[in-house]
Amino acid sequence: EIVLTQSPDTLSLSPGERATLSCRASQSVSSTHLAWYQQKPGQAPRLLIYGASSRASGISDRFSGSGSGTDFTLTVSRLEPEDFAVYYCQHFGNSPPYIFGQGTKLEIK
Amino acid sequence: EVQLVESGGNLVQPGGSLRLSCAASGFTFSDYFMDWVRQAPGKGLEWVGLIRLKGDRYTTDYAASVKGRFTISRDDSKNTLYLQLNSLQTEDTAVYYCAKENWSKFELWGQGTLVTVSS
Repeated sequence: EIVLTQSPDTLSLSPGERATLSCRASQSVSSTHLAWYQQKPGQAPRLLIYGASSRASGISDRFSGSGSGTDFTLTVSRLEPEDFAVYYCQHFGNSPPYIFGQGTKLEIK
Repeated sequence: EVQLVESGGNLVQPGGSLRLSCAASGFTFSDYFMDWVRQAPGKGLEWVGLIRLKGDRYTTDYAASVKGRFTISRDDSKNTLYLQLNSLQTEDTAVYYCAKENWSKFELWGQGTLVTVSS
């Protein structure tokens, strides 16, 4: 079973800075099956990126995804106050189980 | 409005049972795989299971942690997804979310319903 490891666990940055979040898979995965979600306290997760690099509907172009094989990255180009949240990567294999990374908390420095 | 609304969460004793519901609106419910995802207090997201379509004979898959105890079903005539939770354990305490699956993404989530397993 594939394991997704996100790093860092916590990232402390200031508004206006650039955030780079990593998701590493224990074995090579198809980028078609890699998604990113944002979750704010007390709220449900929200889809940000699917297929490793495609933005979901209504998502700001400050969010971008990249990567292939075992290494994937979520970048937030210029942090806004509303971007501080927990971010999860997820892999959809050809069959379940569907695996989530443990999450990266992006906090205000 | 396109939305998913969960209900049925409650406090239940260890060994007890509960049924959660997820009402869908604003899209053709019967066209989509549907999933359940849970989140224990202060923890990350854990996929629970999914149900496929009528054409797939409503087949299901489950996480190893819940297999044999939880059952997912759907009523396409009522646009409703269900999760039957049996033999509940304290470690099943979590917010349970339903999610609309579409081509390797969960593109719509409900607001969640809290299940607390405690004596």
